[in-house]
Amino acid sequence: SQQGEEDPQALSIQEGENATMNCSYKTSINNLQWYRQNSGRGLVHLILIRSNEREKHSGRLRVTLDTSKKSSSLLITASRAADTASYFCATDTGTASKLTFGTGTRLQVTL
Amino acid sequence: DGGITQSPKYLFRKEGQNVTLSCEQNLNHDAMYWYRQDPGQGLRLIYYSQIVNDFQKGDIAEGYSVSREKKESFPLTVTSAQKNPTAFYLCAAGFTGSQPQHFGDGTRLSIL
Repeated sequence: SQQGEEDPQALSIQEGENATMNCSYKTSINNLQWYRQNSGRGLVHLILIRSNEREKHSGRLRVTLDTSKKSSSLLITASRAADTASYFCATDTGTASKLTFGTGTRLQVTL
Repeated sequence: DGGITQSPKYLFRKEGQNVTLSCEQNLNHDAMYWYRQDPGQGLRLIYYSQIVNDFQKGDIAEGYSVSREKKESFPLTVTSAQKNPTAFYLCAAGFTGSQPQHFGDGTRLSIL
């Protein structure tokens, strides 16, 4: 079952612009994680935000979490062509460390 | 070099054949996972294991089987009962207790 729904499904921006992706989920969570997937490759973990946190930063990444709205957003600032990838949110409900993934946002950053 | 190694990278299955996908890790993680990814979709959990000699079904376990005889290894068998096996299969490992997962680079399975 897909817990997370991401929006938009696809996003195309120019290098230097900011990219924002949103994730909505359905049930209570322990934490929410964001992953990146380059075409034909495995997923790479980007950032984890716990249910009692509202905002977290890592380099050019900023993640927010609103548990009352069951939503999260990922902001990538000053995008680069190398940021072109699919981005997935994943929720951890605390059951056996299982993750439930969203459908992903495909980001295209052009020069 | 630490990580998750999946092999083969590409695999073809004939009608009625079982095939096994390999996943090995040297990260000393207790938990291992198998996911299936269809084109343009997110990941769906097939099986997971939190400890050696124990594993549980995920959301789409029908037509698949696994074993966990060693901490480092978690092979996935796609049986002939899986009627639509064409997909990208990803293996992951992680510590238990709501921690990030580390992924291999996947095996792409197709039907001949």
